[in-house]
Amino acid sequence: DAKTTQPDSMESTEGETVHLPCSHATISGNEYIYWYRQVPLQGPEYVTHGLQQNTTNSMAFLAIASDRKSSTLILPHVSLRDAAVYHCILRVAGGNNKLTFGQGTVLSVIP
Amino acid sequence: ETAVFQTPNYHVTQVGNEVSFNCKQTLGHDTMYWYKQDSKKLLKIMFSYNNKQLIVNETVPRRFSPQSSDKAHLNLRIKSVEPEDSAVYLCASSYLSTGQLYFGEGSKLTVL
Repeated sequence: DAKTTQPDSMESTEGETVHLPCSHATISGNEYIYWYRQVPLQGPEYVTHGLQQNTTNSMAFLAIASDRKSSTLILPHVSLRDAAVYHCILRVAGGNNKLTFGQGTVLSVIP
Repeated sequence: ETAVFQTPNYHVTQVGNEVSFNCKQTLGHDTMYWYKQDSKKLLKIMFSYNNKQLIVNETVPRRFSPQSSDKAHLNLRIKSVEPEDSAVYLCASSYLSTGQLYFGEGSKLTVL
């Protein structure tokens, strides 16, 4: 059962700000929202995570809806290196980290 | 900078042979994982060890067996490989208290 829903693909132009949506309508109160990205021939890379409050780091800004049923990963000023498959994953706090990766969103960046 | 090291990165073998993949992490993490990524790029967890104790053991064929000598090493052995075992096997590590996994570059297995 897919617990998150993401668009299959999105396209952006270098320098633009990209908003990657994720729907998690059945999220539980003890589930964190994690984002990873993967480029070809490499393993997934952690991007960011959050529980309830919006979070920001050097890679991205994570906006979490007030009801927590959706979130948006915001990538400012994307470059070609940001082209990847972005995965939105739910993780149970205190669990065994059995993260389930879905198809994710393929982000294409045009020069 | 890579901190989860996998060997070999590529392996081609024939049906029925035995294969082993090795993984080492230098991050001081207490938990290590093996994931399988199939031709459709879907990632599925296979095993997870926390301080050398098996904590996740998904439904995988019995020919797959993980081996943990210490918390920095987690190997994967496949006895008598089958064509459907062709995939990329990804090792990862983390602290169990966080969901921030660090992945290796993967070991691509091709079974002829």
